[in-house]
Amino acid sequence: SQQGEEDPQALSIQEGENATMNCSYKTSINNLQWYRQNSGRGLVHLILIRSNEREKHSGRLRVTLDTSKKSSSLLITASRAADTASYFCATDDGNYQLIWGAGTKLIIKP
Amino acid sequence: NAGVTQTPKFRVLKTGQSMTLLCAQDMNHEYMYWYRQDPGMGLRLIHYSVGEGTTAKGEVPDGYNVSRLKKQNFLLGLESAAPSQTSVYFCASSSWDSKAFFGQGTRLTVV
Repeated sequence: SQQGEEDPQALSIQEGENATMNCSYKTSINNLQWYRQNSGRGLVHLILIRSNEREKHSGRLRVTLDTSKKSSSLLITASRAADTASYFCATDDGNYQLIWGAGTKLIIKP
Repeated sequence: NAGVTQTPKFRVLKTGQSMTLLCAQDMNHEYMYWYRQDPGMGLRLIHYSVGEGTTAKGEVPDGYNVSRLKKQNFLLGLESAAPSQTSVYFCASSSWDSKAFFGQGTRLTVV
């Protein structure tokens, strides 16, 4: 069963704006990861945040993790047309499997 | 760098036919996974393997079988295809840090 729930399901913003998407999960985790999927393609790993970390940055990406609320957020700053994709969170609970959310579809309007 | 390679990329099957999807990785990863992705949904785990010669069931294993005879290869078999198995199938591999690397997917249609 899917552990992650992502919010919103879809997000449409203007190029240059910031995009924020959220992920909630149910059980204790070792880490939480964010992936991007361009239409019809395989998923690409973006960033991993461990359970003892609260914030992590990678280029225009900023991820936060609140283990007390079992939630994470992904912020993409200064969005570009190429950021149009679906974004998925996945949690690692140490059981050899990643548990996936249903994804947020992000559309960047020119 | 090849990474994770899936074959074939597209396939159309008739109900009741069988087929095997091949996944190959060149990163010496221990863990390999087969997922299916249906429209508007996330990934659902079919089967996975934590090492050569081992396999385990995921969330939706019925109608599928797998084998991991070599560390670099993970095969997914459909013995008797059904229309409900129409989907996009993704293979992934990872090492101990659980970061997953994905293939480009196989789009399967069962008519």
